[in-house]
Amino acid sequence: EIVMTQSPAALSVSPGERATLSCRASQSVNINLAWYQQKPGQAPRLLIYDASTRATGIPARFSGSGSGTEFTLTISSLQSEDFAVYYCQQYNFWYTFGQGTKLEIK
Amino acid sequence: VQLVESGGGLVKPGGSLRLSCVASGFTFSDYYMTWVRQAPGKGLEWVSYITTSRGTMEYHDSVKGRFTISRDYTKSSVYLQMDSLRVEDTAIYYCARGGTSSLKWFDPWGQGTLVTVSS
Repeated sequence: EIVMTQSPAALSVSPGERATLSCRASQSVNINLAWYQQKPGQAPRLLIYDASTRATGIPARFSGSGSGTEFTLTISSLQSEDFAVYYCQQYNFWYTFGQGTKLEIK
Repeated sequence: VQLVESGGGLVKPGGSLRLSCVASGFTFSDYYMTWVRQAPGKGLEWVSYITTSRGTMEYHDSVKGRFTISRDYTKSSVYLQMDSLRVEDTAIYYCARGGTSSLKWFDPWGQGTLVTVSS
């Protein structure tokens, strides 16, 4: 099983600032990586697929980068609605998720 | 595009439950469908998927032999039959749409249905 490790587990950032979330795979997943946002009591929402392609309707302040084993989700200027838990998911070999990064208001 | 799950509830260990997911707003027959679960306060775990025309099914090792995924094209629905339930199967179960020729990312997701396995 490919293990996905996200860091940090929690991140406190002020509105308007930039947030950088990391995801590491235990072996190469090429660019077969997606990012999801989950708010309390809601289902996850797809943000990014193929490591860097924004899903339909996702604002340009969300960007993804990386390949192989190291990936980053960047939110350029945090809005109040962006505070949530973020998960990465690999689909190179079956499907596994990271444990999540909770983005909190500072 | 909308996915609506139902069928969750409280069941005793060893019991069975059948989850349903009704799809609308897209051509159901064209898409792979999948189930993902989330234990209370925990992360996400892929459970199972079913392909389109050939109906090939795949399962996570933790549910293999106990869960069965199926789909009914006439009802635009996907199902998850869960047998021999264990306490560790307690979770919110989400159905999600995959791609048209493969399963990669999951989009969109339904609102989920809670399954609680407890004596």
